[in-house]
Amino acid sequence: EAGVVQSPRYKIIEKKQPVAFWCNPISGHNTLYWYRQNLGQGPELLIRYENEEAVDDSQLPKDRFSAERLKGVDSTLKIQPAELGDSAVYLCASSFGPQPQHFGDGTRLSIL
Amino acid sequence: DQQVKQNSPSLSVQEGRISILNCDYTNSMFDYFLWYKKYPAEGPTFLISISSIKDKNEDGRFTVFLNKSAKHLSLHIVPSQPGDSAVYFCAARQGGSEKLVFGKGTKLTVNP
Repeated sequence: EAGVVQSPRYKIIEKKQPVAFWCNPISGHNTLYWYRQNLGQGPELLIRYENEEAVDDSQLPKDRFSAERLKGVDSTLKIQPAELGDSAVYLCASSFGPQPQHFGDGTRLSIL
Repeated sequence: DQQVKQNSPSLSVQEGRISILNCDYTNSMFDYFLWYKKYPAEGPTFLISISSIKDKNEDGRFTVFLNKSAKHLSLHIVPSQPGDSAVYFCAARQGGSEKLVFGKGTKLTVNP
């Protein structure tokens, strides 16, 4: 079984630039999550999708962050414009029903 | 206010001995708890879980104990192996929600 695939693995941009991350969940997993992990912290949920519907986006900074999950499979997370404080690892996870979440390897974002 | 706390940032044990990682939580609505293991530059990997209706769950060398009255859980690894060296995250889920709340993690080092 292929795992959760994320790209790119690393991204370095200057502040105020836009950036986008892509996630392909495990086949058949209807629930998809985006997390942000700051250095020395645990992952924090940004948004959760059930199929193509965002069911929990309460922690997503909507002034600069957006996400979509077209057709209920792949998902993209976008930041525009990026700020210095957005430097972090962005993790995507997926699950089926009540089963534990499976995580991708993340995208490490550095803002200059 | 941190709802899931891992008060030990690091732990060092000798190969073959027991590793005990601790986790405390404050939200009495949490009813499902998970441990994830994370190697550098990789995403968290699910290790073991326990429902609040149980006080122990065992899987090979890994055992999780839950003390609901104390709002405390622990992960025991016996015997510890050098390959167990990683960061371990405790996570909790509230009944009726798929949202996981993570602790900050404990870095385990198993010395040969």
